[in-house]
Formats: sequence, C-alpha cells, structure tokens
Amino acid sequence: EAGVAQSPRYKIIEKRQSVAFWCNPISGHATLYWYQQILGQGPKLLIQFQNNGVVDDSQLPKDRFSAERLKGVDSTLKIQPAKLEDSAVYLCASSWTGSNEKLFFGSGTQLSVL
Amino acid sequence: GNSVTQMEGPVTLSEEAFLTINCTYTATGYPSLFWYVQYPGEGLQLLLKATKADDKGSNKGFEATYRKETTSFHLEKGSVQVSDSAVYFCALSEQGAQKLVFGQGTRLTINP
Repeated sequence: EAGVAQSPRYKIIEKRQSVAFWCNPISGHATLYWYQQILGQGPKLLIQFQNNGVVDDSQLPKDRFSAERLKGVDSTLKIQPAKLEDSAVYLCASSWTGSNEKLFFGSGTQLSVL
Repeated sequence: GNSVTQMEGPVTLSEEAFLTINCTYTATGYPSLFWYVQYPGEGLQLLLKATKADDKGSNKGFEATYRKETTSFHLEKGSVQVSDSAVYFCALSEQGAQKLVFGQGTRLTINP
C-alpha cells in the first residue's frame, strides 16, 4: 500500500514569513496527526484529526499555527508568522480508528527558519 | 502528565554486541508502550509494542518487556548488525487513546 505522503521535503524561510505543509494519509485512515520534531528531541503532537474533526489540539500554538482537514482526507498545516524556534521536522502520521492501532509516519518536512 | 525518558545517546557498538536501550515512563492508568525506529532518510516506523503488564513485544530480533513494577520498557537485542544503525524512540499511549508521547530518542551506531 502507498505510504503517508508529505510535501515539500525541505523548506527554508525567513522569520515572519508564512509556510504551509501538505499531507496525504494512507487511504482509508480516519485519524491523522501532525507532530513537530525539534532536533535532538522526540516528536511532539501538535494536532490530531478524526475524519475532518479536531480531537486534540492542546499543544498547537494557535496564535501562529493552524491546520485543517476539510474533506477528511488531505491535511495542511500552516505557520504564520514563523519564528526561529519553529525550525524542526514536521511529521504527518495516520492510522485506522481505534486504540492501539499503529501509526504510519510520512518522511516529514524539514523546516529551517532563518 | 505522561512522559517517557530514554537513556542518553549516542550509543556506539560493534557488530554482534548485545544491545540495551533503557526506557522508563510516567503515566496514569495502563498505557500501551511502543518502540519506533527511524532509519536514515526514512520516516518513523513501529518496531514493536506491548499493551499490558508483562507482555513482551518482539520483532526483527529486538525484544522489550512491559514492566509495570519498574515502569520500564527496555529494548534489547542479542546480536546487533550494521543495518540496525538508526534512531530508536520509546513511546506510550494512554489507555483508550491513540496519540503517542515520545521519549527523546537514542541514536545507535553499529560499527563492522
């Protein structure tokens, strides 16, 4: 089966600019996640969707980050305006619905904010 | 809140050596425990998991046992190979939930 697709693979922007990342989950997976992985740290959940509804966005910095999954399939994550500390790898993952189902991760988008 | 602590890396071993990567956790209730692996240039992938106390997860020669009394889930392999070089993440999910809480990761390098 096709994996989780993410684009772009790399992005370099200056602080205060805007950036958007795209994710296409595995077909049929109702649950989609965005994680932020800062260098040397483990991934941290930013937001979890169930179909097109938000399940958990408690760690999303809502003053600058936004995410949507309008049709319950693809998702976009946006940062506006970006800060230096947003430099990280942004990982998208998807899974079947249900506890203990394993997550399938994309290769991530590496963001550098200069 | 829930948290996961892994042994500090990086870890460098010779081929065929015995591997242990320590992982301890703090959680309420009965979490599920996971090890994920990230090979160079690839996305995270599930290595093994255990969903209740005393369960042993195993895959590709790796093993980890869910120890509730010591709140640990240490990763072991009897004889490592160069191809095991990767970053290993311990993680937990709360009972009935899917979101993962990750440790900081341990970079493993195996020399021939």
